Amino acid sequence: ETGVTQTPRHLVMGMTNKKSLKCEQHLGHNAMYWYKQSAKKPLELMFVYNFKEQTENNSVPSRFSPECPNSSHLFLHLHTLQPEDSALYLCASSQESRRLNEKLFFGSGTQLSVL
Amino acid sequence: AQTVTQSQPEMSVQEAETVTLSCTYDTSESDYYLFWYKQPPSRQMILVIRQEAYKQQNATENRFSVNFQKAAKSFSLKISDSQLGDAAMYFCAYRSRRGTGNQFYFGTGTSLTVIP
Repeated sequence: ETGVTQTPRHLVMGMTNKKSLKCEQHLGHNAMYWYKQSAKKPLELMFVYNFKEQTENNSVPSRFSPECPNSSHLFLHLHTLQPEDSALYLCASSQESRRLNEKLFFGSGTQLSVL
Repeated sequence: AQTVTQSQPEMSVQEAETVTLSCTYDTSESDYYLFWYKQPPSRQMILVIRQEAYKQQNATENRFSVNFQKAAKSFSLKISDSQLGDAAMYFCAYRSRRGTGNQFYFGTGTSLTVIP
């Protein structure tokens, strides 16, 4: 199943740049998530939005700033990143975030390289 | 803290054969869910199978089944009649009611190669 679209697919940025990642879901879900996937590490939850309200901020540095204008769209604004922030950033959605058996629907991610 | 361990970074299987991917987890909770997700080269993760801790019967989805051993905190995935399309990274994940319940805890993944 698809339904979660992420853009851009690849992004290269310098440490002084400002860029944004975009995620859109067409599934009618109310919860959206940002995950960071680094090689040989478990997926790290960054942020959770439930009905447009941020319900989880997993001690993420302030150089990552999420925005959820509505239940269908999620952004991750990036500024003054570090090379160690290079990773695959995955967006996911679910019907709502508090049901344990909720199935997550993922996008294809943005592969970010910070030079 | 909940942790999920996948001890096999890479596995391979002959097409049409059976392979088992292992997963162990550490928790003090009694009620939780376990999941297996698949991430093919397209990078889009999809749910393969899920199991509620209170259910003794092992979950099955077509060629995919789990061996859930609650006392041993083990949750292995068996893929029968392996197909070329099964080649992917497989992630084991855990979720409990503790805290906000928002947190999925993922393992580091097992890369599965299917040999024609």
